[in-house]
Amino acid sequence: AQSVTQPDIHITVSEGASLELRCNYSYGATPYLFWYVQSPGQGLQLLLKYFSGDTLVQGIKGFEAEFKRSQSSFNLRKPSVHWSDAAEYFCAVGAGDMRFGAGTRLTVKP
Amino acid sequence: DVKVTQSSRYLVKRTGEKVFLECVQDMDHENMFWYRQDPGLGLRLIYFSYDVKMKEKGDIPEGYSVSREKKERFSLILESASTNQTSMYLCASTLGGQRALYEQYFGPGTRLTVT
Repeated sequence: AQSVTQPDIHITVSEGASLELRCNYSYGATPYLFWYVQSPGQGLQLLLKYFSGDTLVQGIKGFEAEFKRSQSSFNLRKPSVHWSDAAEYFCAVGAGDMRFGAGTRLTVKP
Repeated sequence: DVKVTQSSRYLVKRTGEKVFLECVQDMDHENMFWYRQDPGLGLRLIYFSYDVKMKEKGDIPEGYSVSREKKERFSLILESASTNQTSMYLCASTLGGQRALYEQYFGPGTRLTVT
């Protein structure tokens, strides 16, 4: 069965700084890959998705993610973080069923 | 705009009570899901349904049951609530089809406390 690892439980960045959230997956083939964001007290919202093709995918709110097959990774990036980006971020793998990582909580310092 | 609603945002129940959590989607989606979310564990699938009156067990179905009598509504039932079922419960829905299965739309969640 596939699995997802988000190595960072909590990350703090300054407003305006760049951001990279890490995600590694374990699966025999190339799965479908997703990033979701959960603002406090809210459900999850889909940020972006990868099915096939171009390994750099663009999402909403200025986020992008890059699929690297050799590293089994799908890291999420944003060039300049805004205070409103403070939330919890979940990486997910779809292959038969859906598996979510444990999440990375992002704090943004003013 | 896509909408998934859950009947309660916060719920407090006593041990042994029967608890109903309701989820409604207005997108005519075929598939609906119930997850529980716990710190450090991410989301874990309890049950899902791919059609009316159809259900499949997820990873942690013990202590739960579900009901889907209408396409838009998916209910999660805790037959006899226990303290280890204190958690955030999230409902999601998707269209049918292979890729669409993974593009999940979530409700706001119900934070259940069992005392």
